[in-house]
Amino acid sequence: QQPVQSPQAVILREGEDAVINCSSSKALYSVHWYRQKHGEAPVFLMILLKGGEQKGHEKISASFNEKKQQSSLYLTASQLSYSGTYFCGTQLKEYNNNDMRFGAGTRLTVKP
Amino acid sequence: DGGITQSPKYLFRKEGQNVTLSCEQNLNHDAMYWYRQDPGQGLRLIYYSQIVNDFQKGDIAEGYSVSREKKESFPLTVTSAQKNPTAFYLCASSIDGTGGYGYTFGSGTRLTVV
Repeated sequence: QQPVQSPQAVILREGEDAVINCSSSKALYSVHWYRQKHGEAPVFLMILLKGGEQKGHEKISASFNEKKQQSSLYLTASQLSYSGTYFCGTQLKEYNNNDMRFGAGTRLTVKP
Repeated sequence: DGGITQSPKYLFRKEGQNVTLSCEQNLNHDAMYWYRQDPGQGLRLIYYSQIVNDFQKGDIAEGYSVSREKKESFPLTVTSAQKNPTAFYLCASSIDGTGGYGYTFGSGTRLTVV
């Protein structure tokens, strides 16, 4: 039931772009994206509820392809502050939106 | 400021002992959740509660117990039946059970069995 994230880790230079993918084997009701810095709590970035929906948060945006049961997180012109582990969380349609399952995370490192 | 408070931050337990992790929120959120985080495995759901006096098992509930007697509190007890309890535990809450506005997480409790 846990979504699959890829890649597991990414190393960037400041100003470079990255894409993180999240896919599910089952139909999705929603996809959440969170960022966690080392030793801290995950922080909510955005939620996508409709197929084809795209949302933005500063230079971080995401898309949701309901047919393919996947979501992608786009980080453009990365900054040092973007470093951390990014998790997608998914809610399945079959469970009537209850409880969320998280992927294993993608560790993003941005270097000067 | 509203948020979720988890205590203690670090906890050491001897084998065979039960321990209780505290989670308190002042966000007036209806739903609360417990997740376990292990390296390379992301967050796994232990228990969740959508309303007071009601809770459901998640994917890895064995060896854990919870209670939800008050809206703001959702303590997690790690019992001696949990074979490998050393992990980072995160408590979260959401406005309602749909999670449609995202989850707010606490800072976590790191439990180590010695």
